[in-house]
Amino acid sequence: AQSVSQHNHHVILSEAASLELGCNYSYGGTVNLFWYVQYPGQHLQLLLKYFSGDPLVKGIKGFEAEFIKSKFSFNLRKPSVQWSDTAEYFCAVKAGNNRKLIWGLGTSLAVNP
Amino acid sequence: NAGVTQTPKFRILKIGQSMTLQCTQDMNHNYMYWYRQDPGMGLKLIYYSVGAGITDKGEVPNGYNVSRSTTEDFPLRLELAAPSQTSVYFCASSYGTSNTEAFFGQGTRLTVV
Repeated sequence: AQSVSQHNHHVILSEAASLELGCNYSYGGTVNLFWYVQYPGQHLQLLLKYFSGDPLVKGIKGFEAEFIKSKFSFNLRKPSVQWSDTAEYFCAVKAGNNRKLIWGLGTSLAVNP
Repeated sequence: NAGVTQTPKFRILKIGQSMTLQCTQDMNHNYMYWYRQDPGMGLKLIYYSVGAGITDKGEVPNGYNVSRSTTEDFPLRLELAAPSQTSVYFCASSYGTSNTEAFFGQGTRLTVV
């Protein structure tokens, strides 16, 4: 069955630290890849997405992610986090012609000022 | 541009009561989804619809019903509320399956006591 795995459930960082959140998926065909962010008490918002082309995609608020097809990965990165990045981060994959997104369980990020 | 609008934002139900969570979108999206979000469990798909008059079960449809009489509206019905349905519910929509992202509503926090 298709699945998405986010390796880190809880991450705690200090401001200015670098961030990398892992996301792996299980599907061998064409994929669309997404990272969503959910700030405390709010709804999910799109951070960035990959459909095709350059595997390094840049999103809002200084986030970027790299699609590595050979590793079935789409890791999220930010060189220097801020307190305002405290949120939950979700990786999602649309596999082939599937009508539904497959979601990871999310990673809770806490940034200490 | 309102996007995806959910009502109510909060609700407390007694066991056995029924209610309808409303969801409407003004983006002329074909696809609409209902998710529930529980702590540490990520997003679970309840029902989805690929167009007016068409609905399909997701991962956790038991205890819920939906209808899609118009493109804009996708209400979620709980017939006999149970404590296990205490959750945060999100409605989302997308234009279609290819190269499109999902847009989320603000969520409904439901408590069944």
